[in-house]
Amino acid sequence: DVKVTQSSRYLVKRTGEKVFLECVQDMDHENMFWYRQDPGLGLRLIYFSYDVKMKEKGDIPEGYSVSREKKERFSLILESASTNQTSMYLCASSLWRTPSSGGYTFGSGTRLTVV
Amino acid sequence: KQEVTQIPAALSVPEGENLVLNCSFTDSAIYNLQWFRQDPGKGLTSLLLIQSSQREQTSGRLNASLDKSSGRSTLYIAASQPGDSATYLCAVKESGGSYIPTFGRGTSLIVHP
Repeated sequence: DVKVTQSSRYLVKRTGEKVFLECVQDMDHENMFWYRQDPGLGLRLIYFSYDVKMKEKGDIPEGYSVSREKKERFSLILESASTNQTSMYLCASSLWRTPSSGGYTFGSGTRLTVV
Repeated sequence: KQEVTQIPAALSVPEGENLVLNCSFTDSAIYNLQWFRQDPGKGLTSLLLIQSSQREQTSGRLNASLDKSSGRSTLYIAASQPGDSATYLCAVKESGGSYIPTFGRGTSLIVHP
């Protein structure tokens, strides 16, 4: 069964810490995404990547950066965690354009609390 | 810009009812539409993926239809069960090169015994 694996289900970090959220997929997908999800705001795209070492800003990139050194791994970095970054973080992957597929697979999410 | 709307935002039904969840989108030039389920505190689980050339997809008690001309998709759940309680989201992938889906806000479903 294909999977997107997020390294942590729950994280508690202190304000000002540098935080790494890891995501690994085993489907050889080109595209990978990081979202955050907050009550009443839905899913918001932070960053995405369509190839190794490539990254694009989403709707809310401020305060975040990403790294994609290998095709299967996409890391989200909070340079200096703040309380307003307390949220559920979701990683997803998909194949690039193909006529036979194109669906998205999500990880199980990381609930990050910044205190 | 594509907008995706899901109505109602919340729904509570007794066990055994057949129910329909709605997803509307503003731009009919789509590549595919995907329905997801999300349990509290969890990630999104894919339920059904409908390509733009398809009219419907079925999986067990779930049936999703797509009408591009009217900008609508419906998710039909037959004989609902308490285990169906979750939030259901739809996501639209536009044609024309973008690989970024547009998500609806979801419908929160409670099926009570």
